[in-house]
Formats: sequence, C-alpha cells, structure tokens
Amino acid sequence: GPKVLQIPSHQIIDMGQMVTLNCDPVSNHLYFYWYKQILGQQMEFLVNFYNGKVMEKSKLFKDQFSVERPDGSYFTLKIQPTALEDSAVYFCASSLVRGTDTQYFGPGTRLLVL
Amino acid sequence: GDSVTQKEGLVTLTEGLPVMLNCTYQTIYSNAFLFWYVHYLNESPRLLLKSSTDNKRTEHQGFHATLHKSSSSFHLQKSSAQLSDSALYYCALSRNNNAPRFGAGTKLSVKP
Repeated sequence: GPKVLQIPSHQIIDMGQMVTLNCDPVSNHLYFYWYKQILGQQMEFLVNFYNGKVMEKSKLFKDQFSVERPDGSYFTLKIQPTALEDSAVYFCASSLVRGTDTQYFGPGTRLLVL
Repeated sequence: GDSVTQKEGLVTLTEGLPVMLNCTYQTIYSNAFLFWYVHYLNESPRLLLKSSTDNKRTEHQGFHATLHKSSSSFHLQKSSAQLSDSALYYCALSRNNNAPRFGAGTKLSVKP
C-alpha cells in the first residue's frame, strides 16, 4: 500500500538546539499531520496542515514548533529551541481528504533531547 | 472536549480464543467517525477499520466492530485470535472533519 517515509529514524540533540523532522507523504495526498507519542503514553495530535496553512493544532503545538511543506517537498516539523519534554516519537501521517479519510502513517522519528 | 477511552492497557489471550478490545468515546457532536488502527512492532500504524454509521457492523481482515452511538462505543472483536494479531490497537475519533484523536491504545498479546 501507499507508504509514508520519515527521516531520520532517530535523532539525538542537546536541549536548546533546533531540530527538523522530515516526512515524505503519499504523493497525491493533500492533508498532513504530526502526532507526538511520549514513551508509554498515547499518540497525541499536534497539527494538521493543508495548502500551505495550519488547519488545526492542539495545545501541544507550542510556539517553538513550526511546520511547512515548501514546493511540495518534505513536510517538516521544526522545533526551535528544543526542550527536554520534546523527547518522544513523532509520527507523520497524510490523507487525501480531511478528517474522516484513512490516514497513512510513517514509522516515526525517535527524538531524544539531552 | 472530545475523548477516547481504551480501558485495557494490555490484553493477553491464548490463540484461538475470541478477542474483544473496548473503546468508548465522548463528544457532543453527532457526526462522530470512529477508527481502529493497528500498530505492529517495527511497522507504521495502519487503518484496520472505520465507521460513522450507527449500528452497522464493519469488517476487515477478520476483525469487526459496530458503532453504537447510544452507548458511545466502538469495540473491536475477532472470533479467534491468532499469534500474528499481537500488536498495539488504537481507537480514534474524528468529528467535524477534524484530525482523528487517539485513545491510549491496547496492547494485544496472543500466546500459543
């Protein structure tokens, strides 16, 4: 089936640094999502992105977070500056239609902030 | 606000026994759309089944679920567990075309 790729699979950085997580969504999909999963906890919605704009975000999507998809390339999540509590697995997903359509997930990026 | 509850964090079964994973949800909106996603180790989470139709059974790959709006439930069932069903199962809710919100997940462990 359709695949979503995430790069890198693992990232270790020092607190205060910037990090960019990359997602290669399904090619014809229009809606893009990031979810955050702290170890042992549930997958929490962060943000939904469409047509160059944030459509929806949760309170977890702090001011230090930003998303973009320049020129149809990777869909990125940037955290600047990072904090210890940002350590988690970040899952990217994409869908053709918003909300009720099937989401296709990537394998996740494991981020560790030291 | 909206919420999804999966009470069981871990369900351990013997192969061949029936599976039932519980999911209840809360929303004030009538247009709830419920999903079950399965997450196998070292793979990406993927959709198992979904429904927005009240009292209609939805089936896929041997699993089934029926959305009951009267009880706000969408329990996942299978008649006979297989070893290969061992995975994390997430129930999720979308309404008003918002991005799905996930429950805490239930780890299903099937033993021989």
